[in-house]
Amino acid sequence: SQQGEEDPQALSIQEGENATMNCSYKTSINNLQWYRQNSGRGLVHLILIRSNEREKHSGRLRVTLDTSKKSSSLLITASRAADTASYFCATHGGSGNTPLVFGKGTRLSVIA
Amino acid sequence: DTAVSQTPKYLVTQMGNDKSIKCEQNLGHDTMYWYKQDSKKFLKIMFSYNNKELIINETVPNRFSPKSPDKAHLNLHINSLELGDSAVYFCASSQLRSRPSGANVLTFGAGSRLTVL
Repeated sequence: SQQGEEDPQALSIQEGENATMNCSYKTSINNLQWYRQNSGRGLVHLILIRSNEREKHSGRLRVTLDTSKKSSSLLITASRAADTASYFCATHGGSGNTPLVFGKGTRLSVIA
Repeated sequence: DTAVSQTPKYLVTQMGNDKSIKCEQNLGHDTMYWYKQDSKKFLKIMFSYNNKELIINETVPNRFSPKSPDKAHLNLHINSLELGDSAVYFCASSQLRSRPSGANVLTFGAGSRLTVL
């Protein structure tokens, strides 16, 4: 069953503003990942946060994880037009044979 | 140098036909996947192979048959195509073994857009 559900479905902001996307999931996880998909392209891995971590940074990206609420957020600071893309959270439940399960994504539009 | 390459990128065909999509990865990964992305962008796992062995087989019609001749290749053959098969099919790979537990990061191909008329 699908685990990740992103919120909002679509987000439109001005260049320079921060963008926050949320992800909720249903069952226990080993780690949670965020991916970006530009229009007409494949998904690209952005960042991974493990279940025993609460926050992680990578450049302008900040990811938080709250396992008690089964939720994660992705913050993109000082957004740029090039950040326009769909962002997906993906959860990994446990053993290597369990698949990475993706949410439906948040469509982010950054207006120059 | 493309890490995960899929061919063809676009495929338009009639209902009832049989078609194949090929995937190759040059990352030395031991695991490959097929995902299907529908018109609403929902991405769903179809199959996964680890070192040529099928390890994940989600509820997919028998018309879909994956084949992995070696760990660098995973092809997808679809028989008797139906309208509902229209989607973008993504191949991905990862290094499943010899990693910290659960750190399964996927590298995706650019996708193959299948349109069934």
